Amino acid sequence: GENVEQHPSTLSVQEGDSAVIKCTYSDSASNYFPWYKQELGKRPQLIIDIRSNVGEKKDQRIAVTLNKTAKHFSLHITETQPEDSAVYFCAASRYSGAGSYQLTFGKGTKLSVIP
Amino acid sequence: GAGVSQSPRYKVAKRGQDVALRCDPISGHVSLFWYQQALGQGPEFLTYFQNEAQLDKSGLPSDRFFAERPEGSVSTLKIQRTQQEDSAVYLCASSPPIGGTAARGNTIYFGEGSWLTVV
Repeated sequence: GENVEQHPSTLSVQEGDSAVIKCTYSDSASNYFPWYKQELGKRPQLIIDIRSNVGEKKDQRIAVTLNKTAKHFSLHITETQPEDSAVYFCAASRYSGAGSYQLTFGKGTKLSVIP
Repeated sequence: GAGVSQSPRYKVAKRGQDVALRCDPISGHVSLFWYQQALGQGPEFLTYFQNEAQLDKSGLPSDRFFAERPEGSVSTLKIQRTQQEDSAVYLCASSPPIGGTAARGNTIYFGEGSWLTVV
């Protein structure tokens, strides 16, 4: 099955600095890589995703890069703000036919943005 | 309703008690997932439905866990004879049909979760 490793487990940055979170995956058939933000006691919320036919995607202060050869993908947050503080999860997904697919999540990165 | 709705939000069960957790997915979403999230961990897959068919239950940790979606809409996750290690947040998620909204073919949307504490 798929295995997703995520680093670092905790990350503290000063407000305005950039934050980078990295993930690796094991299953070369995985083709969809979302990132979720989860605030304490809240649901995971999709913030950005990338598919295997794209190398980079950007949405305002958030960008994701994907290296299929190396099987790793990264989340970049620029100009961090205190409200970016949360736990971020990467995930990898593959479609296995017969309508069945599932996401495998990393263990999460707790991001703290210091004002 | 705008999002995935789960109930109860919080449940305290005595060890050995049976519990049932309910999920109302987003209207029109044929795919429904259950995940288990232990404290400080990422969500872990439990089971997947497409309409009423349970296509994947490989993540269910034991035969005490059972899920159903009899009419292809609301789903219930049942845990029999609860044990302390079952304490976790149980997240339900749904997704639109693959290819139906192509740009978001397999984006999943989570509910707020049901927090289960077994004492």
